[in-house]
This record gives sequence, C-alpha cells and structure tokens, in this order.
Amino acid sequence: DAKTTQPTSMDCAEGRAANLPCNHSTISGNEYVYWYRQIHSQGPQYIIHGLKNNETNEMASLIITEDRKSSTLILPHATLRDTAVYYCIVFDSNYQLIWGAGTKLIIKP
Amino acid sequence: KAGVTQTPRYLIKTRGQQVTLSCSPISGHRSVSWYQQTPGQGLQFLFEYFSETQRNKGNFPGRFSGRQFSNSRSEMNVSTLELGDSALYLCASSLGHRIPAFSSYNSPLHFGNGTRLTVT
Repeated sequence: DAKTTQPTSMDCAEGRAANLPCNHSTISGNEYVYWYRQIHSQGPQYIIHGLKNNETNEMASLIITEDRKSSTLILPHATLRDTAVYYCIVFDSNYQLIWGAGTKLIIKP
Repeated sequence: KAGVTQTPRYLIKTRGQQVTLSCSPISGHRSVSWYQQTPGQGLQFLFEYFSETQRNKGNFPGRFSGRQFSNSRSEMNVSTLELGDSALYLCASSLGHRIPAFSSYNSPLHFGNGTRLTVT
C-alpha cells in the first residue's frame, strides 16, 4: 500500500506558483521524502528530496512540516511544460519505493 | 553527462516468448533498479542490483529475472511472456544501494525513458 496520500488532480494558471500537497503521516524519523514527476511516455524525472529541513533547487522548493507528516512541493512559476503527474514517495520497510497514483497537475494558459 | 539509456525503446512479442531488456546507468552510478509500470497498477518495483548482486526484490514471479555486469550495466529478462506482461519497463540508476547501511541511502533514482513491451 502507498504510504503517501496526494490529491488526484490539480489545476494551476501559467506563471503562478503550483503548490502540491502530500500526506505521509506514517513516515519514520530517518526516511526521506522524494518527489518525482512523469510526463506522458517518459520515465519519471527526479525533482527534489528532503528529510527535515526545507529544500530548494533549480526546479522546485520542498516544504516539510515540523512533525514531518506532510510536505508541499512548490513550483514557483509554473509553465505549460510542468504539466505532468507528480509523485510524492517514501521507502517502505523493505527499502522499496512505494509509488501511489500521484497528482495530475494541469497548467492552464 | 549522459542519462540512463534503455534499449530497445519499443518491443512486440508473442505469448510464450522471452525478452531481454537492457539498461546503461549514468556513469559512476553503481545501483540499478527495475520497475514495471501499467495503467492499472502504476509503478511497481521489480528488483535492484548493486555491485553485480541482487540486493532487493519485489513481488514478481520467477519469470522475471535480471543481472548486472561489472560495468554496472544491467539486463532484465522475462521468460514465457503473458499478455499481462505488457507494460512500460523502467530502469533507474543511483549512486548507492538503497539500504541505510550504505552511505548513499538518500541518493535519488534517475530513470530512463523505458522500454514499451507489448505482448500479443
């Protein structure tokens, strides 16, 4: 079973910030949260990952709550090319990444 | 730096046949993982190799097997193909092994664009 919960779909206007939430209430203390996205017919693309502190890279920012039970991926200025399925994932007890259904993000012009 | 390369990109086989898929990881990456992606089941973990040894295995039948070579390149094989094996097979590489005992536990996976297998 997926250890994360994400909304099925979201819309965002082009140029605005896209905020994608994820619940991971059963995450353990030493588990990282990873975010990937997948554009149709391509392999998943790594975006960012984090443990406790907020993280930022050239693609996105990751905000992790203090209790680590949820996180938010922020795409600061969404473009049409950011339309994709976004996955928030963690490892299970067998050290395997468990992928849920993700959030289908649609950027509208 | 070249990304993860998977060959072939598309493959059509008939039931009962076998197939071998190839994956070349990013230079310097020693861990290779394989995933199956279908519309109904999403991404499912097949197995992971590190230093030519299978380190982790998902819940797939023995018809699915793999190996890793000394240059970290990997192959996966599916024997006695079934219609349900039609899927996108994804390979991912990373710096290290997924078990926390290894220092690169948090190194992210980098995926290829997959091999689209159709079984008729």
